[in-house]
Amino acid sequence: QKEVEQNSGPLSVPEGAIASLNCTYSDRGSQSFFWYRQYSGKSPELIMSIYSNGDKEDGRFTAQLNKASQYVSLLIRDSQPSDSATYLCAVNTYYGNNRLAFGKGNQVVVIP
Amino acid sequence: DVKVTQSSRYLVKRTGEKVFLECVQDMDHENMFWYRQDPGLGLRLIYFSYDVKMKEKGDIPEGYSVSREKKERFSLILESASTNQTSMYLCASSLRGEKLFFGSGTQLSVL
Repeated sequence: QKEVEQNSGPLSVPEGAIASLNCTYSDRGSQSFFWYRQYSGKSPELIMSIYSNGDKEDGRFTAQLNKASQYVSLLIRDSQPSDSATYLCAVNTYYGNNRLAFGKGNQVVVIP
Repeated sequence: DVKVTQSSRYLVKRTGEKVFLECVQDMDHENMFWYRQDPGLGLRLIYFSYDVKMKEKGDIPEGYSVSREKKERFSLILESASTNQTSMYLCASSLRGEKLFFGSGTQLSVL
């Protein structure tokens, strides 16, 4: 089993809708979880971090963490064309000096 | 704001050449990382360093080496470039291995 999995294919959502992204991880000892956004041709940038079970909201973004089920999700409310990007889930695996394991990413396309 | 600077945005090299990719961060971060990113394969960790002169292998270290002589600088070395090392290379730094801050990347083409 891969450390971090993002299985959904490209996600197309109409402008104004909610985009929902999911991520599962294999290391039960993981404590830190991150979502990065990557525009085409650019480097990833951190948009959300979450450390405890439950929801964390930041503007139009909500991260949800469920450690018992080992998944973390990202909701983008009122999706805008500027949200069109690839979203990478990253998990601190807590071995080897706090290296992050990344999922392969999910592409989101917001249709005007 | 944290700034992670990679020396080249685009680089074209020939097979067999020795290639140096340089990365400098200005926030006194302990940890520095080198990733490569390929379509369909995501971000893969090549090497990381948690202190000066310290280095750890990541998931795909073969064909690469690194150097960290100063805290702010982390270099990736391709000893003898091969075509399968054509990729986007991303450097990142972090404080205590938490939030990663990425450089703008180097697109390396090996011909």
